Amino acid sequence: QVQLQESGPGLVKPSQTLSLTCIVSGGSIGSGGHYWNWIRQHPGKGLEWIGHIYYSGSTQYNPSLKSRVSMSVETSKNQFSLRLTSVTAADTAVYYCARGLYYYPSGDYFDYWGQGTLVTVSS
Amino acid sequence: EIVLTQSPGTLSLSPGERATLSCRASQSVSSNYLAWYQHRPGQAPRLLIYGSSTRAAGIPDRFSGRGSGTDFTLTISRLEPEDFAVYYCQQYGRSPGTFGQGTKVE
Repeated sequence: QVQLQESGPGLVKPSQTLSLTCIVSGGSIGSGGHYWNWIRQHPGKGLEWIGHIYYSGSTQYNPSLKSRVSMSVETSKNQFSLRLTSVTAADTAVYYCARGLYYYPSGDYFDYWGQGTLVTVSS
Repeated sequence: EIVLTQSPGTLSLSPGERATLSCRASQSVSSNYLAWYQHRPGQAPRLLIYGSSTRAAGIPDRFSGRGSGTDFTLTISRLEPEDFAVYYCQQYGRSPGTFGQGTKVE
């Protein structure tokens, strides 16, 4: 059974960088075949896809966040990470990591998710 | 991007009843690339359906999906106590993938 667990600071100051890591167990990122995603949910709102990364380091980001987002992968540690720069209160959300099955060139659906971590942007 | 509108926002039903959830897309969803997820409070979202009608591994057959183009439906034939949750549809037929705002089954 694949499991994903998000970790990172729960509070980030405005204009700073949000950094989260997702540790994967029960499956190997390096084995390929899946894409590794970040998704967020603003309080009381719907879900928003942030982007994904492949084990090779290839990435795709949501155009709405592309200028501020970067993702990285460490196959040796079986984890991947999200960085979101210049955050504002509008970035306050629950952030989920998820394993995706990607249908090129359109998008992924997600078969395993983490439980999510709340990140609040506030001074 | 494709906007997904789910209805109703809240569905008030009792165990044993049938639930019908709707998801309407602002544009046709390519290849019926439409998924449904269940989200219980404090838990990870769970994939139910992909490709509009294919149940994910381990999903009971009381869950069924159908639809094409712009109109999709998730049906829960007989509600079990554990089915009371929020349900989201998601399209992955055009990038960026997008989600509906959710239907709460209470």
